[in-house]
Amino acid sequence: DSGVTQTPKHLITATGQRVTLRCSPRSGDLSVYWYQQSLDQGLQFLIQYYNGEERAKGNILERFSAQQFPDLHSELNLSSLELGDSALYFCASSPRDRGNTEAFFGQGTRLTVV
Amino acid sequence: KNQVEQSPQSLIILEGKNCTLQCNYTVSPFSNLRWYKQDTGRGPVSLTIMTFSENTKSNGRYTATLDADTKQSSLHITASQLSDSASYICVVSGRGSTLGRLYFGRGTQLTVWP
Repeated sequence: DSGVTQTPKHLITATGQRVTLRCSPRSGDLSVYWYQQSLDQGLQFLIQYYNGEERAKGNILERFSAQQFPDLHSELNLSSLELGDSALYFCASSPRDRGNTEAFFGQGTRLTVV
Repeated sequence: KNQVEQSPQSLIILEGKNCTLQCNYTVSPFSNLRWYKQDTGRGPVSLTIMTFSENTKSNGRYTATLDADTKQSSLHITASQLSDSASYICVVSGRGSTLGRLYFGRGTQLTVWP
């Protein structure tokens, strides 16, 4: 168990809908990363937050947004969902935002858009 | 462009045999390189992390090497077991302007047969 908790584990929704994925980082970790992993694809970096502030942005669509709350948990909001958004969404956390810091991954949320 | 390339894309070996996975990267400036193991549908789990000053690091039957001059790394697995069947992902962390972002390879899918 990495200590990173993601909910829900599975989510099935229809095209055009909006969903929210939640991530609770390891206790004490200030940095949260979100990744998307489509079928047979590598992990694609979406966005990083550090202590409530957006720190780095990857190939995140405008339909997607995220935030990190004062208690350090993070939410990834996906709107106007399309079939191609079906993927595994992983959250990772680390103590710092850079350097030789270890990143610990949650078990992921499997999103299926039908 | 910061990239991480892994080879081979997939590999099948018999139980008890050894294998070596390769990773080449162009991420600069470089901070550290990690190898993760990802079981199907699960979150990645860290195996090793190495900075530019480290040439080799072991974790049980897993031994990683790093040549920061040629920007190459390898992961050697000895006496493979059925439970080693997984995707092995090379992850490079940048520093400075890259803000500690993690750059992921596409992974090598290892299958161990009895």
